[in-house]
Amino acid sequence: QLVQPGAEVKKPGAAVKVSCRASGYTFSSHTITWVRQAPGQGLEWMGWISASSGNANYAQKFQGRVTMTTDTSTNTAYMELTSLTSDDTAVYYCARRTVYQVTWAQWGPKNYYYMDVWGTGTTVIVSS
Amino acid sequence: DIQLTQSPSSLSASVGDRITISCRASQTIGSFLNWYQQSPGKVPRLLIYAASNLETGVPSRFSGSGSGTDFTLTINSVQPEDLATYYCQQSYTTAWTFGQGTKVEIK
Repeated sequence: QLVQPGAEVKKPGAAVKVSCRASGYTFSSHTITWVRQAPGQGLEWMGWISASSGNANYAQKFQGRVTMTTDTSTNTAYMELTSLTSDDTAVYYCARRTVYQVTWAQWGPKNYYYMDVWGTGTTVIVSS
Repeated sequence: DIQLTQSPSSLSASVGDRITISCRASQTIGSFLNWYQQSPGKVPRLLIYAASNLETGVPSRFSGSGSGTDFTLTINSVQPEDLATYYCQQSYTTAWTFGQGTKVEIK
């Protein structure tokens, strides 16, 4: 499972660092993805980070403002978002990325990625 | 980025109905398409991965099909607990994207 803190309240211009503590599986064997959902809106992918290598891939929208990290000693992933505005008010989810590998006769091996375990969600409220 | 367009945006169904939700990609994405269910106030849940593979523990009334640009999520004999918003999501590129969601209401 993936456990996140319940809520954070921040002022505009501040930063937030959301944690995601993993248990029940080998943390370093999977990548952690971050997704957010603004009130009444759909899901928005923010990026991911490999728990083994620390390599990260961020959505272009958040480039320069987001940093994802992991701590393998505590099986915890973090997502820090800076320069907060009211538009960043949302529920932030971490999710485990899992791969389904298929070897096709015509195309060879293909890796299909998906999010199979989701965190409990952290509500981030940005308000003055 | 690849755009995913779901239709309809919402639908209302009676218990026992068969419903289909469409997801169309702005370019071909092979079978790199997943479906998630989000019940009101709940965390999203994986239903289908790689277009047609049922996640463990998901009822068999859910199924997925399609490849390329057109995909379908089908719920056979919809149940009251299927009240939720359903999202498709592509993993063809390293910039993942979601559809805008389809809200399913139960009459």
